[in-house]
Amino acid sequence: GENVEQHPSTLSVQEGDSAVIKCTYSDSASNYFPWYKQELGKGPQLIIDIRSNVGEKKDQRIAVTLNKTAKHFSLHITETQPEDSAVYFCASRGAGRRALTFGSGTRLQVQP
Amino acid sequence: DTAVSQTPKYLVTQMGNDKSIKCEQNLGHDTMYWYKQDSKKFLKIMFSYNNKELIINETVPNRFSPKSPDKAHLNLHINSLELGDSAVYFCASSPAQETQYFGPGTRLLVL
Repeated sequence: GENVEQHPSTLSVQEGDSAVIKCTYSDSASNYFPWYKQELGKGPQLIIDIRSNVGEKKDQRIAVTLNKTAKHFSLHITETQPEDSAVYFCASRGAGRRALTFGSGTRLQVQP
Repeated sequence: DTAVSQTPKYLVTQMGNDKSIKCEQNLGHDTMYWYKQDSKKFLKIMFSYNNKELIINETVPNRFSPKSPDKAHLNLHINSLELGDSAVYFCASSPAQETQYFGPGTRLLVL
């Protein structure tokens, strides 16, 4: 089955700096890659996603890049703010599958 | 309006008891899921229903039994609760193979 590895497990940045979280996946047939943000005591919330026919997608301060050849994708957050502090999960979904396979999560802390 | 809702939010119970968690979505989605998040934050799929039909059943003890009375509801019943069942259980829904939307979670603590 699909395996998703996520790094780093924790990330601390100063407010205004950029943050990058990286994930690799094992199933070359995977075609959908969402990123979720989970705040304390809440469920994961989708923040951005990308499909395998696109190499990059941007939404304001958040961007995701996908390298299908290397089977990795990354989340980029620019101009970080304290409210960006949360646990971020990457996920992938194989072709023909419905369930997501999640990475192990990255705890991002933005220091004011 | 809450898109995916779960009840209860917290559940504290004794080992050996039977309990149920309920999930409802008002998004009109065809597919619903149960995920388990352990103490290390790992999120793992347990079950998925599409139009009331079970389509995913991962390696989960048969003490766990999902039930979908209609497309908008997916419940999870757990028999003979064990200490290791303590976790946060998330319900999610999606239209076909599109984006999944998660509920707020049910925090289960087995004593």
